[in-house]
Amino acid sequence: KAGVTQTPRYLIKTRGQQVTLSCSPISGHRSVSWYQQTPGQGLQFLFEYFSETQRNKGNFPGRFSGRQFSNSRSEMNVSTLELGDSALYLCASSLALNQETQYFGPGTRLLVL
Amino acid sequence: AQTVTQSQPEMSVQEAETVTLSCTYDTSENNYYLFWYKQPPSRQMILVIRQEAYKQQNATENRFSVNFQKAAKSFSLKISDSQLGDTAMYFCAFMNLQGAQKLVFGQGTRLTINP
Repeated sequence: KAGVTQTPRYLIKTRGQQVTLSCSPISGHRSVSWYQQTPGQGLQFLFEYFSETQRNKGNFPGRFSGRQFSNSRSEMNVSTLELGDSALYLCASSLALNQETQYFGPGTRLLVL
Repeated sequence: AQTVTQSQPEMSVQEAETVTLSCTYDTSENNYYLFWYKQPPSRQMILVIRQEAYKQQNATENRFSVNFQKAAKSFSLKISDSQLGDTAMYFCAFMNLQGAQKLVFGQGTRLTINP
């Protein structure tokens, strides 16, 4: 089975722009979670999606949003980018909600200038 | 809120040695999972091992094993016969089985295996 894929792998944007990141889960997995990884804050939970519904959201401003499609693919969007949004964004998929191991994609590295 | 603490920012051992990475966590929940993930320089987060809190037996996966002490809220990872490919950041993570299916990560331990 193919693993979790994320596109693009690298991205450079300027302050004020917006960005959309994509995640395709492992085939058959229906739950997708997003995490932000920075040197200062470490790994922090952004959102969790299951059956096209956002089930939970972490402590991030409203500029961070996401969605999930009927094929379980997910996108996250960050509007009005700030320098502090520079990070590695990791997507993880699991079979279902709760009691499941999350498997991670390679991440999208976002640099905001 | 749950917290995970890894007290060793960096560790270094020689190839073939055994190394133990420490992790403690704080939670009032009773049903949860604990994980160790490995993140090599490629940045891909790879699952190393999983422990269910209701299981008394410590999980093992080939050269990797854990020492799970539920009462002490301690979850250490032992790597036996360490290999150069084990060089990576290692993250301890907690998942509560109630509520949000989110992983709460420690700050990580940078492990270097020297030839």
